[in-house]
Amino acid sequence: GAVVSQHPSWVICKSGTSVKIECRSLDFQATTMFWYRQFPKQSLMLMATSNEGSKATYEQGVEKDKFLINHASLTLSTLTVTSAHPEDSSFYICSAGTGAGEQYFGPGTRLTVT
Amino acid sequence: AQSVTQLGSHVSVSEGALVLLRCNYSSSVPPYLFWYVQYPNQGLQLLLKYTTGATLVKGINGFEAEFNKSQTSFHLRKPSVHISDTAEYFCAVTNTNAGKSTFGDGTTLTVKP
Repeated sequence: GAVVSQHPSWVICKSGTSVKIECRSLDFQATTMFWYRQFPKQSLMLMATSNEGSKATYEQGVEKDKFLINHASLTLSTLTVTSAHPEDSSFYICSAGTGAGEQYFGPGTRLTVT
Repeated sequence: AQSVTQLGSHVSVSEGALVLLRCNYSSSVPPYLFWYVQYPNQGLQLLLKYTTGATLVKGINGFEAEFNKSQTSFHLRKPSVHISDTAEYFCAVTNTNAGKSTFGDGTTLTVKP
């Protein structure tokens, strides 16, 4: 149980285009989903927290207009990287919270912007 | 506010040896503590967690951790490691009020044959 999927697992896009990443909780309902960014050999950096049906809460320094988060249902959250640039290339990981502080993580999406 | 410090960014041991990965935390509220493992180009997998109750927590793959409130530590250990345990390990603390987790910088464990 408690499986979280991400799609796509790997994406290459050209500079200036937008990319959407989906995060789904497959066998449970997640009232809260988190989006993280991870650079090579580094830890996870929380980007934003999204609650179903409400606007996401972004961490300080994260551009809201660049990283659009939508949490339309209890099983789906999406992250759209708008007007992507090479510096946005990274590993993006989502997680779904079940309450009690525990999070289940997706497998991650590798974004490469050329 | 909360924070996590993992002592030792790289740990290298021989197969069959005991390994100890250190984690110290700070939290303004009673914390939930977690250890995760990450294999290359993959997401995080939960190894074990402490919420309340018994301070010695057993997880998957033979790992265990002990919560020490006075020392604000949550060290991870495994009595006999295998080559397949080579991975990145992250300690995390969760604010039980806000639900947000803070991760340590990670420890790369290399198990040599």
